[in-house]
Amino acid sequence: DAGITQSPRYKITETGRQVTLMCHQTWSHSYMFWYRQDLGHGLRLIYYSAAADITDKGEVPDGYVVSRSKTENFPLTLESATRSQTSVYFCASSEGSGGSYNEQFFGPGTRLTVL
Amino acid sequence: GESVGLHLPTLSVQEGDNSIINCAYSNSASDYFIWYKQESGKGPQFIIDIRSNMDKRQGQRVTVLLNKTVKHLSLQIAATQPGDSAVYFCAEINTGGFKTIFGAGTRLFVKA
Repeated sequence: DAGITQSPRYKITETGRQVTLMCHQTWSHSYMFWYRQDLGHGLRLIYYSAAADITDKGEVPDGYVVSRSKTENFPLTLESATRSQTSVYFCASSEGSGGSYNEQFFGPGTRLTVL
Repeated sequence: GESVGLHLPTLSVQEGDNSIINCAYSNSASDYFIWYKQESGKGPQFIIDIRSNMDKRQGQRVTVLLNKTVKHLSLQIAATQPGDSAVYFCAEINTGGFKTIFGAGTRLFVKA
């Protein structure tokens, strides 16, 4: 189906484990983003990517790793999960920069719980 | 679905009334603004946008007002319906870059 998808939708893991959250978009958008959303907070940018093989840190990158070998995929890895990384994670994509191209299309989210 | 936020500012309106959701943005250099709607268990969805060279823009049942003097943005929803119940986020963008800064959000409850 066209759009942006995330998997898994729900994940429970333990402290210290590595976890990878997947994001896939079918629009061939250049830009992709990872956000986390916590109670009482807005969306906070973790990492973003302007194109394949180009990634950069956002506001809260510590403890996370991303890669973008293909335009359509942007996986987010928690190398050693901590309880503070319990959150809802949203992936988004946009066509490009400038004006209306900045509209970001969001996936359904992944709820991650770290025990 | 995913819990968006239990401590968000909340607006409760009667079905059929108009709603006004406010947002203060932080960067005077931001030149593009978007309102997003987030329903329970879903990601945010685009509602309406406005450029900084405008002070008003209308969509279907929604109007966005921009006051750059006081860095304030508002979203007006006409004839609010139960399906409008959601969390609403404002977002600001400096199109010299492309990173989007989101506000904390306002939860809208529509009473039938």
